[in-house]
Amino acid sequence: GAVVSQHPSRVICKSGTSVKIECRSLDFQATTMFWYRQFPKQSLMLMATSNEGSKATYEQGVEKDKFLINHASLTLSTLTVTSAHPEDSSFYICSARSISTDTQYFGPGTRLTVL
Amino acid sequence: AQKITQTQPGMFVQEKEAVTLDCTYDTSDPSYGLFWYKQPSSGEMIFLIYQGSYDQQNATEGRYSLNFQKARKSANLVISASQLGDSAMYFCAMREAYSGTYKYIFGTGTRLKVLA
Repeated sequence: GAVVSQHPSRVICKSGTSVKIECRSLDFQATTMFWYRQFPKQSLMLMATSNEGSKATYEQGVEKDKFLINHASLTLSTLTVTSAHPEDSSFYICSARSISTDTQYFGPGTRLTVL
Repeated sequence: AQKITQTQPGMFVQEKEAVTLDCTYDTSDPSYGLFWYKQPSSGEMIFLIYQGSYDQQNATEGRYSLNFQKARKSANLVISASQLGDSAMYFCAMREAYSGTYKYIFGTGTRLKVLA
């Protein structure tokens, strides 16, 4: 139980294009999902909290217009990196909060490379 | 402000030995949760163990146990009988209850290498 999937696992794109990453809770409903960014050999940095049916809450310093988050259902949240640049290259991880266990379960991550 | 500190950037342990990974935290919230996650080289974050601030007993999950010392604000992870597959990055995280946001704060992590 408590499986979270992410798609795609890897993506390479050209500078200026937009990339959408999906995060799904497969066997539980998640009213709250989180998006993190992780640079090599560093810890996870929370980017935003995604709440089903409402606007995401972004952490300080994270550009809302750059990183668009949509949480349209209790099992799906998407992160769109708009007009990607090489500095956006990173490992993006989502997590979903299980109400029953009050624990965050993480997806396998998406490695984004912007050329 | 809430804070999580992991002071060991890297640790080595011999296979089959036990190892303790340190984690200290700082919070003014009387109700909080502490978590440990394992991140292998593949990148996924694997939930290991949870300790609630009001839990009377230390949490245990198989070979993992959490040495919770509330007065010292420490929540060390103990891995018994280390296996080669335990080599990974380990993160300690805290969630405060009163914030209502369910956000986690992560430590900087400890890289564990199990030696054959």
